[in-house]
Amino acid sequence: AQSVSQHNHHVILSEAASLELGCNYSYGGTVNLFWYVQYPGQHLQLLLKYFSGDPLVKGIKGFEAEFIKSKFSFNLRKPSVQWSDTAEYFCAVTPMDTGFQKLVFGTGTRLLVSP
Amino acid sequence: NAGVTQTPKFQVLKTGQSMTLQCAQDMNHEYMSWYRQDPGMGLRLIHYSVGAGITDQGEVPNGYNVSRSTTEDFPLRLLSAAPSQTSVYFCASWTDYNEQFFGPGTRLTVL
Repeated sequence: AQSVSQHNHHVILSEAASLELGCNYSYGGTVNLFWYVQYPGQHLQLLLKYFSGDPLVKGIKGFEAEFIKSKFSFNLRKPSVQWSDTAEYFCAVTPMDTGFQKLVFGTGTRLLVSP
Repeated sequence: NAGVTQTPKFQVLKTGQSMTLQCAQDMNHEYMSWYRQDPGMGLRLIHYSVGAGITDQGEVPNGYNVSRSTTEDFPLRLLSAAPSQTSVYFCASWTDYNEQFFGPGTRLTVL
């Protein structure tokens, strides 16, 4: 079945450590790609998105992601995490074969940043 | 500009009861959707709408009904609640390029 995979379910880092969260998808055609963040007790907010163009996209709060088409990947990175980055992170994909109308989420990665 | 609003924030139901989760958006977005969020499963699409009067099923539609009579509102109905429907429900609205804006969620417990 077509899906979105996030390899790490839980990540624990110390402040100032670098972060990379993996995301792979299995759709063969054109896709739009997103990373959303959910802070404790809050709703989802968009971190960044990729539709076309430069495969390295920058988002809010110092996050960036790289789209590697050959690997069907869209990994999220941040050079130096802060305690306030503690949250759950979701990768999501809208495939062109759904008319970009269905947003499919990965299962999420819980990040805990210790001070 | 309130964005996407959902009511109620919390709800407890008994098995077999019915209820409607409300969702409204003031951004004039054509598309709206409902998701449920369960631990370890991410968000799963229940139903979505691409305009007033047009709805379609998502990944987990069973036990839920929707309608879209106006651009602003997209209510989700549980006809006969079951414990398996205990979850957090999020409504979202979006633009042509599918950047979805989410509401604050409704936490539903079915006993």
